[in-house]
Amino acid sequence: DAGITQSPRHKVTETGTPVTLRCHQTENHRYMYWYRQDPGHGLRLIHYSYGVKDTDKGEVSDGYSVSRSKTEDFLLTLESATSSQTSVYFCAIQPTGGAGYGYTFGSGTRLTVV
Amino acid sequence: DAKTTQPTSMDCAEGRAANLPCNHSTISGNEYVYWYRQIHSQGPQYIIHGLKNNETNEMASLIITEDRKSSTLILPHATLRDTAVYYCIVRVAMDSNYQLIWGAGTKLIIKP
Repeated sequence: DAGITQSPRHKVTETGTPVTLRCHQTENHRYMYWYRQDPGHGLRLIHYSYGVKDTDKGEVSDGYSVSRSKTEDFLLTLESATSSQTSVYFCAIQPTGGAGYGYTFGSGTRLTVV
Repeated sequence: DAKTTQPTSMDCAEGRAANLPCNHSTISGNEYVYWYRQIHSQGPQYIIHGLKNNETNEMASLIITEDRKSSTLILPHATLRDTAVYYCIVRVAMDSNYQLIWGAGTKLIIKP
């Protein structure tokens, strides 16, 4: 969708290496999210941000860290990649955290840890 | 844990209405129901949401039972481009925001 981009789109990395995924938005939305999606499952929340330098954990945050130094960028870091972190990662943005607003998702990053 | 259950897959003929059911028997009074769809591994796309009343927009209608334990998403005139995985989701409150709890979704196949 226009206004949100993820990079890289695909990445293969080795076990034990650090990996950083980037989410960039041009909508000036306050809320940003990182999800992972595994085969046959819905999305699970890793971390989210509700403003610059304001972040919080989701349901599957172990092994991941995030940073948001600018409104437009939300970075997800796998500190030491493991095979269980092989997944498709989606970033989402939202104008506010209140009721009535949907989320806009990026196109995803397919990460393979070998 | 998912708060919704959906059929794994469904078929529908092109031009007919597609009715996708969802059970959310443990939903709380202030938790919204959202529907998203995902076409061929793209990012999920928002469709509609509701709390108690039935809702309609340009994409679909959402029918929520009076006891709020289930809902149905209706695509009134399905086209081949509606083939996708449809997720019924409950939005729950967390510390400083809300969280979408996703189920496994229904794979809807529209047949010519």
